[in-house]
Amino acid sequence: GENVEQHPSTLSVQEGDSAVIKCTYSDSASNYFPWYKQELGKGPQLIIDIRSNVGEKKDQRIAVTLNKTAKHFSLHITETQPEDSAVYFCAASNVGGTSYGKLTFGQGTILTVHP
Amino acid sequence: DAGVIQSPRHEVTEMGQEVTLRCKPISGHDYLFWYRQTMMRGLELLIYFNNNVPIDDSGMPEDRFSAKMPNASFSTLKIQPSEPRDSAVYFCASRPPTGEYGYTFGSGTRLTVV
Repeated sequence: GENVEQHPSTLSVQEGDSAVIKCTYSDSASNYFPWYKQELGKGPQLIIDIRSNVGEKKDQRIAVTLNKTAKHFSLHITETQPEDSAVYFCAASNVGGTSYGKLTFGQGTILTVHP
Repeated sequence: DAGVIQSPRHEVTEMGQEVTLRCKPISGHDYLFWYRQTMMRGLELLIYFNNNVPIDDSGMPEDRFSAKMPNASFSTLKIQPSEPRDSAVYFCASRPPTGEYGYTFGSGTRLTVV
């Protein structure tokens, strides 16, 4: 089955700096890669996603890049703010495959943005 | 839409007792997933349903765990008997049939077995 590795496990930045979180996946059939943000006491919330036919996607201060050849994808947050502090998860799935689009999650990255 | 609704938010029970967690998916979503979250193991998929039918329960840790989805708007995850190592946050998530492939998660049930 799919295996997703996420790094780093913790990331500390100053407000205004950029933050980058990286993930690698093992199944070359995976074609959908979402990112989730989880705040304390809440469930994970989808913040951005990318499909395998796209190399990059941007939404205001966040962007995701995908390298299918190397099987890795990254989340980029620019101009970080204290409210960006949370746990971030990457995930991968094969939409349309026999796994019914089941998501496999990375282990998570605790992002702390210091004012 | 009220989103995915889980109950209870917190549950404290004694070892050996039966625990039932409940989930109401978003209307129109025909996929439902149960996840368990712990510090050690992260987010683990326990079981998922499509159109109320269990598709993959390979993540269910033991026979003590069971899940049902009697209709499109309700699912339960039952642990009987509960053990301290079952303490975790249990999330339910749902997804529509096509188009949007990302899940919508509920707020979770924090289970503590003492």
